Amino acid sequence: EAGVAQSPRYKIIEKRQSVAFWCNPISGHATLYWYQQILGQGPKLLIQFQNNGVVDDSQLPKDRFSAERLKGVDSTLKIQPAKLEDSAVYLCASSRVDGELFFGEGSRLTVL
Amino acid sequence: AQSVTQPDIHITVSEGASLELRCNYSYGATPYLFWYVQSPGQGLQLLLKYFSGDTLVQGIKGFEAEFKRSQSSFNLRKPSVHWSDAAEYFCVLNAGKSTFGDGTTLTVKP
Repeated sequence: EAGVAQSPRYKIIEKRQSVAFWCNPISGHATLYWYQQILGQGPKLLIQFQNNGVVDDSQLPKDRFSAERLKGVDSTLKIQPAKLEDSAVYLCASSRVDGELFFGEGSRLTVL
Repeated sequence: AQSVTQPDIHITVSEGASLELRCNYSYGATPYLFWYVQSPGQGLQLLLKYFSGDTLVQGIKGFEAEFKRSQSSFNLRKPSVHWSDAAEYFCVLNAGKSTFGDGTTLTVKP
């Protein structure tokens, strides 16, 4: 089966600009996750979707980050405006009911 | 609230030596537990998982982990470490919501 697809793989922007990341989960996986992984740290959950609904977004900086999952499939994570501290790898994952996470390759963001 | 603690930030072992990485969790019931490995510049790969049943689970690359309810632990072990095992290891709890530990960096000495 095809894995989790993410794009773009790399993005360089200046602070205060905006950026969007796209994720296509594994077919049939109801749960989709966005994580932020800063260099040297473990992944931090930003938002978790169950089909179209949000399960957890307690660590999403809602003043600048937004995410949506239309039709319960693809998802987009947006940052506007970006700050220097947003430089990180943004990981998308999906899972079945058992919770085993399948990760995409990640989108590396550099904010200058 | 659920949480995962990996007490060891960094561990160094000699090639061929045994390895144990610690993981403690906090959750009111039996959670789903996972160990993932991330090699430098690489994505996250599942090593093994525990859902229920046998408390000793076998994974890929010769790794195993033991679930101990009484200690709220899920420690990862390998009897003989290879240089290619040098990586970051994450313990993950998934009980409706997923929680990562902060990770343990493994260095392997020749």
